[in-house]
Amino acid sequence: EPEVTQTPSHQVTQMGQEVILRCVPISNHLYFYWYRQILGQKVEFLVSFYNNEISEKSEIFDDQFSVERPDGSNFTLKIRSTKLEDSAMYFCASRAQETQYFGPGTRLLVL
Amino acid sequence: EDQVTQSPEALRLQEGESSSLNCSYTVSGLRGLFWYRQDPGKGPEFLFTLYSAGEEKEKERLKATLTKKESFLHITAPKPEDSATYLCAGGDAGNNRKLIWGLGTSLAVNP
Repeated sequence: EPEVTQTPSHQVTQMGQEVILRCVPISNHLYFYWYRQILGQKVEFLVSFYNNEISEKSEIFDDQFSVERPDGSNFTLKIRSTKLEDSAMYFCASRAQETQYFGPGTRLLVL
Repeated sequence: EDQVTQSPEALRLQEGESSSLNCSYTVSGLRGLFWYRQDPGKGPEFLFTLYSAGEEKEKERLKATLTKKESFLHITAPKPEDSATYLCAGGDAGNNRKLIWGLGTSLAVNP
């Protein structure tokens, strides 16, 4: 059964460093998303991506964040200068019809 | 403001002891009410989508129902392997269908 994959599973970085989180969505899906979940808090929407451009973004998704689909399979989230409060689980999701399917997540820890 | 609230936050059951989880929502133009299961350190795993009040869906020991204001996830004769966090999310009315999440119910089923 097709699934969303994410790498790395864990990332530890120093404050101010750039990180790139990678996702491979399900191959025939057209809509892609990033969400994050800070420990003990709700899952939060960050950004949606369709037709090679951002279709919607939340207030969290400021100029420090960017997304890219560099080829036909990968979907990346870049954080340019990480802050302590960026520490969270980051989930990628994709959908073809109504349902979003999620990857296993990347746990990001900013020190 | 769109909001999804789940109760209880935590629930402990004995194996075989049936119960229900609640999800109340205020999401303008709701496009689907989604239930996901999340195991510790993993991504949300899709369970059900409900679209209309009165709709019901079943999968093994789980049944989800929907009214105009809330959804219930009924767990019949649960087993220890049903232990997980159950997340409810409302689908946003926009084309991007971003999900608005509840905090989840952490379910523990004791053998």
